[in-house]
Formats: sequence, structure tokens, C-alpha cells
Amino acid sequence: NAGVTQTPKFQVLKTGQSMTLQCAQDMNHNSMYWYRQDPGMGLRLIYYSASEGTTDKGEVPNGYNVSRLNKREFSLRLESAAPSQTSVYFCASSESGYEKLFFGSGTQLSVL
Amino acid sequence: AQSVTQPDIHITVSEGASLELRCNYSYGATPYLFWYVQSPGQGLQLLLKYFSGDTLVQGIKGFEAEFKRSQSSFNLRKPSVHWSDAAEYFCAVGVSNTGNQFYFGTGTSLTVIP
Repeated sequence: NAGVTQTPKFQVLKTGQSMTLQCAQDMNHNSMYWYRQDPGMGLRLIYYSASEGTTDKGEVPNGYNVSRLNKREFSLRLESAAPSQTSVYFCASSESGYEKLFFGSGTQLSVL
Repeated sequence: AQSVTQPDIHITVSEGASLELRCNYSYGATPYLFWYVQSPGQGLQLLLKYFSGDTLVQGIKGFEAEFKRSQSSFNLRKPSVHWSDAAEYFCAVGVSNTGNQFYFGTGTSLTVIP
């Protein structure tokens, strides 16, 4: 099984450009998440989707939008990238309740 | 607001020595507690979790953690560290307002000296 698949793995943007990070899981999980990881900050929750058709803000949602396209896919969009959004982004999913998170391998994003 | 604190940014231990990584949380109710490990360039992998019941939980790779309600702590331990344990370790709390949310500490980087 592929688990959680994120694309792309690396991306360089110029300030003001837009892009969408894609995430798909093949485990039939209900909940999906987007995190960003920065040195000394740990992982911070950007947005999450508790179930298909719902999305909610996490700790650091400003500058991002998400779409839960279907049960498998949860995308993260940067409408106008800023240098402060340079980070490693992780998508994760969980079956339900407080079952463990399954993580993708991450997207390293640099905004110049 | 809920929070997770890992007071040790970096820890160095000798191979074969014991290990304890600290985690404190702030949350009104009994939280769901997790420890994850991240190897360089990788995503996070679950080591263990606590939901309820026995306050000492066993995980993979010989790790264990103890939930202490009075201290709001969930410290991770291993009796004898192996060189392959060198990684970043994250404590996390699961909470629920409108859905499932997991909040992570800032992580502890572990170096193992041969």
C-alpha cells in the first residue's frame, strides 16, 4: 500500500506565486491534516478535515486554503506565497477518533 | 488553549545508556497522548499512545511512556539506547472541539554517542 502520498516533494516559488500541494491516502481514512514543520517550532496544524465534506482551521491557517476533494484527497493551496511560508509541509491521515496519524514523506517548499 | 511542551531541545546519550525525554501538556480534560519519532528526511512514525487505563504504556522499539496526571506529564523512556535511536522525537496531544486535532511539541533531537 502507498499510504499517504504527497506531491511534489520539492518546490521553489517566487513571492506572490500560487501553488497547490496535493495529498492522497489509500487507507479509507476519515480524517486528514496539513502540518508545517519549522526548526524549533515542531509541527503546527494548518488545516484539518475531520470527515469528507468538512474542513476546519488549525493553529496557523492564514495564507492557506484547503479542499477536501473526496475521501481520499486533501489539497493545500497557497494563493500568494510569502517567504514566511518557506517550510516542510506534511500531510497526514487517521481513521477516526484518536487513532494514530499516518504521515506522508513531506514537501520541502522554498519561497524566494 | 491546549499546548505541549518539550523542555529539552537536544539530548546526547551514550549507546547503552538509559533515556528519558520529557513532555508536559496543558489541557482541561484527560488528553490523548502520543509519542512520534522522525528520522532525517522522513515523515513521523508513531512510537506509542495513551488513551486511558494503565498509565504505563509500551511502544515499539523498546520504548515506554508513563502518564502522570498530577504532573501533566507523559515522559518517554528507554532502558538502553541504540545508535539507531538517533532521531527527532515529538510528543503530541489529541483534542476534539469540532473534530480531531493533534497538537505537537517542538521536538527533542537525540544524538547517540557510540
